[in-house]
Amino acid sequence: KAGVTQTPRYLIKTRGQQVTLSCSPISGHRSVSWYQQTPGQGLQFLFEYFSETQRNKGNFPGRFSGRQFSNSRSEMNVSTLELGDSALYLCASSSVGYNSPLHFGNGTRLTVT
Amino acid sequence: AQSVTQLGSHVSVSEGALVLLRCNYSSSVPPYLFWYVQYPNQGLQLLLKYTSAATLVKGINGFEAEFKKSETSFHLTKPSAHMSDAAEYFCAVSDLRVGETSGSRLTFGEGTQLTVNP
Repeated sequence: KAGVTQTPRYLIKTRGQQVTLSCSPISGHRSVSWYQQTPGQGLQFLFEYFSETQRNKGNFPGRFSGRQFSNSRSEMNVSTLELGDSALYLCASSSVGYNSPLHFGNGTRLTVT
Repeated sequence: AQSVTQLGSHVSVSEGALVLLRCNYSSSVPPYLFWYVQYPNQGLQLLLKYTSAATLVKGINGFEAEFKKSETSFHLTKPSAHMSDAAEYFCAVSDLRVGETSGSRLTFGEGTQLTVNP
């Protein structure tokens, strides 16, 4: 079974631009979560989507948004990029069931200059 | 909200030696706990999870962890380190909030970088 696929692997953007990251979950997984990883703040939960609806949301500004499509694929968008948005963005999928383990992709490394 | 503390941001062991990575948690409800490993330029891979079925949990690659409620700990161990174990290890707790129904919100510790010396 293919794992979680994130594209692109690397991105370089300029401050003020916007960016869209993509995530394809493991086949059959309907929950997709997004995490931001930085050296200073560590791993932080952004949001979770399930059946095309945002189910949970972390403590990030509204510039961070996402969506999920009917095939469970998800996209994350960051508008008006700031230098502090430079991070590794990780997507994780899980199957239905409380506390089903998260399966992570290899991430998208975003650099904002 | 739940929290996790990993003692020691860097741990160095010799090949063949015992690996012990420490994790303490704070949770107002019975916790669901996880250990993940991250290799350079990769995502996180699940090593093992505790979901109250047994206090000693066995995971992949020879790792295991013991849940001790009295100590609020969930330390990760491996009897004999291998060079391929060099990576960063994260302890995490499911951080379910009021009104939420899934366990996808994990609170992670700051990570422990494991170095294995030949």
